[in-house]
Parts: sequence; C-alpha cells; structure tokens
Amino acid sequence: DIQMTQSPSSLSASVGDRVTITCQASQDISNYLNWYQQKPGKAPKLLIYDASNLETGVPSRFSGSGSGTDFTFTISSLQPEDIATYYCQQYDNLPYSFGQGTKLEIK
Amino acid sequence: QVQLQESGPGLVKPSETLSLTCTVSGGSISSYYWSWIRQPAGKGLEWIGRIYTSGSTNYNPSLKSRVTMSVDTSKNQFSLKLSSVTAADTAVYYCARGVAVAGRNAFDIWGQGTMVTVSS
Repeated sequence: DIQMTQSPSSLSASVGDRVTITCQASQDISNYLNWYQQKPGKAPKLLIYDASNLETGVPSRFSGSGSGTDFTFTISSLQPEDIATYYCQQYDNLPYSFGQGTKLEIK
Repeated sequence: QVQLQESGPGLVKPSETLSLTCTVSGGSISSYYWSWIRQPAGKGLEWIGRIYTSGSTNYNPSLKSRVTMSVDTSKNQFSLKLSSVTAADTAVYYCARGVAVAGRNAFDIWGQGTMVTVSS
C-alpha cells in the first residue's frame, strides 16, 4: 500500500498569510494526487485534482504542485473561511489512501 | 445537482453486520464509480472500497474479508455491508462519487456522512 505523509499535522497562521502544506508519497505516484478540504462536521470537499488542477468553483488562492513523491498545497492569502483540515489522497494504486490531515487554525 | 444521502442504523452490536445504503439523486448513477470512505472520530479518512454500476468491485485489503458492496441501478442506490464489526469500526461513514475521466480521478461529490457506533 502507498503511505501518504503530510506535514505539518497542524498549522496556525494569520489572515492574509501564505500557507503551505506538504504531502509525501511512499513511492512514485506521478501526478495522481488530489487535495480535499474538510470543515468541522462536514464532508470533505475536492479542491485540487491531478496535483495541480483547480476544481471548478474553487477560489484561485488555492493551488497545488508537485509530482513523483513530493507535493505541495498552497493558500496564497489565508481567509477566515479556510479554517479546516486538509487531506491529500493518492489514486495511483489501489487501495486509494489519504494523508493523515493538516489542521489549519487562525492565529 | 447531484446529491448523495447515506442511510442505515446508527447503532450496531459487536459481531453483527453494519449495513448502509447511499441514495443518489439529481443525476444518473451510471458513468461513475461509487465509494465508501470512513472516518473515526478525530482521525483521518480511510477508503473502504468502490463499486461500478456493472457490479465490479475493489475493496481495501485491510477490510476485504468483511466487506460487500452492491448496486441497484433501478433505485439509484449502492450499499455497504461490513460484517463481524467491533468497536474499531465506529466511525462516520461517507459515500462518495468517483469520477475518472480525461486523466481526472477524484471523489467529487460526497454524502453528508452517517455516524455508526458499534456497541452492545
């Protein structure tokens, strides 16, 4: 199975800050990576697919990059409504797997 | 727009079988795959498996011996059965639509989730 490791596990930042989360795969997954946002008590929401493609309707302050084993998720200017837990997910191999999540809080 | 809604018992006794159904409304169940994903309280997401409308399935090996998925296209529903449950199976269970087209493969629509507690 492919293990996905996110860092940091939690992050505190101020409104307007640039925020970066990393995700590392235990083996090469090309660009077969998605990013999801999960707000408390809600289902996850797809933000980025294929490592760098913005899902329709998602604000452009969200972006993703990377390929192979190392990936980055960025919020260019943190907004109060971005408070959530973010997960990466690989779909290169079954079973599909998620990172452990990064909890983002406002400083 | 397409919506997913999970339904089923919120409480299951240890050693019994957990049964959930996901109803798809506002669109066709065809041309996609359909997954179950669970999340224990305060923890991360675990993919349980998927089913296509053909009935073809893939399960997470960690649960494979206990999981059965089925689909009823006439009702726009798909279902999950997890046998011999223990407290470790207590979680919020989500159903989700998987879209795999033009190089895109992601869970783009999710149900709201249903909490299942395993307890006597």
